[in-house]
Amino acid sequence: DQQVKQNSPSLSVQEGRISILNCDYTNSMFDYFLWYKKYPAEGPTFLISISSIKDKNEDGRFTVFLNKSAKHLSLHIVPSQPGDSAVYFCAASEWQTGANNLFFGTGTRLTVIP
Amino acid sequence: NAGVTQTPKFRILKIGQSMTLQCAQDMNHNYMYWYRQDPGMGLKLIYYSVGAGITDKGEVPNGYNVSRSTTEDFPLRLELAAPSQTSVYFCASTGQGTKTQYFGPGTRLLVL
Repeated sequence: DQQVKQNSPSLSVQEGRISILNCDYTNSMFDYFLWYKKYPAEGPTFLISISSIKDKNEDGRFTVFLNKSAKHLSLHIVPSQPGDSAVYFCAASEWQTGANNLFFGTGTRLTVIP
Repeated sequence: NAGVTQTPKFRILKIGQSMTLQCAQDMNHNYMYWYRQDPGMGLKLIYYSVGAGITDKGEVPNGYNVSRSTTEDFPLRLELAAPSQTSVYFCASTGQGTKTQYFGPGTRLLVL
């Protein structure tokens, strides 16, 4: 059963506009959320994260919003740049015996059109 | 620091062959993980380790084995390769007190 869901397989945005990537989760025990970016033939790279005690975290052009009651988080990229074109994975963590395991969504392919 | 390294980058196996995917990290991380990613899917956890000598199963462990004799290395063993094991395999690590995992570049495996 998929505990982290990204229901949009793909998204296209014009350069300079806002990109909004969405993620939903079902496990209320998740206490930490991360976004990873992945280029073809490379491993995922960490982008930004948020703890469940916050509802927003910002890092430059990237902002993650968390709505715990809706079990929903989103990643905003403003302004979008062609180099942002990649697959974005949402991941969630539940503290269990110190393993720090992550549960991943299926990813959203973002294409930024110049 | 090289971070997390994986070898080989790509391998073709025949059904029934065995191989070991290598993973090493130079960040002195306690926690290490093996994931597989199938096309159009997210990453699924195969095995993980919380320290040298300690390993445990993840979501999809069948057909795989791991060992962790040192902090740096976490090899993944496929004993009898099957077509269902065709995938891209990623190794990751993280340190104490953080939940951010750092990934290697991946190994693409094709079983024919």
